[in-house]
Amino acid sequence: SQQGEEDPQALSIQEGENATMNCSYKTSINNLQWYRQNSGRGLVHLILIRSNEREKHSGRLRVTLDTSKKSSSLLITASRAADTASYFCATALRPDTGTASKLTFGTGTRLQVTL
Amino acid sequence: DTAVSQTPKYLVTQMGNDKSIKCEQNLGHDTMYWYKQDSKKFLKIMFSYNNKELIINETVPNRFSPKSPDKAHLNLHINSLELGDSAVYFCASSPYSGTGGNYGYTFGSGTRLTVV
Repeated sequence: SQQGEEDPQALSIQEGENATMNCSYKTSINNLQWYRQNSGRGLVHLILIRSNEREKHSGRLRVTLDTSKKSSSLLITASRAADTASYFCATALRPDTGTASKLTFGTGTRLQVTL
Repeated sequence: DTAVSQTPKYLVTQMGNDKSIKCEQNLGHDTMYWYKQDSKKFLKIMFSYNNKELIINETVPNRFSPKSPDKAHLNLHINSLELGDSAVYFCASSPYSGTGGNYGYTFGSGTRLTVV
């Protein structure tokens, strides 16, 4: 079953506003990552937060992780039209002995930023 | 300069045909992956190779066969194509994450496969 569920499925905001997307997952993780996908393009890695971290920043991005609630949020501040894209969370599970690590993706949030 | 490149970008073919998608990365990464993205944007891992060795083989029809001639290349061959195979296939690479590494993936731009 899908590891990550994202909320909301779609978000429409005006330029300059902040956008918040949430991700929930089901099992213990090693790290959680956020990716952006522009229409018709590949995924671009935005930020990685480890299971022992609670908050991380990168430019206008702020990611939080609550392992007790098995959830994460991505905040994009002062959004721009160029931020219009789909955003995916992805989890790398805590490895069992001998298990190769893999990323399991959430369902994605489609963000539309209008002028 | 392209880090992960896939060819072709678009592939339209008839049911029953056999086709291949090629992927190459110039990042020096040890691990490469194939993901399938369906029409609802759901991404699912199919295979992963680490330095030419198959390390992840998800529940995928055996009509799909990956091949990695060296750690910079990962190809996907699909036999007897079916309508349900229509999707976007993404190649990705990362440093070897083994059992616990923390690395992001670098994705190619995708191959849109349409089976008619």
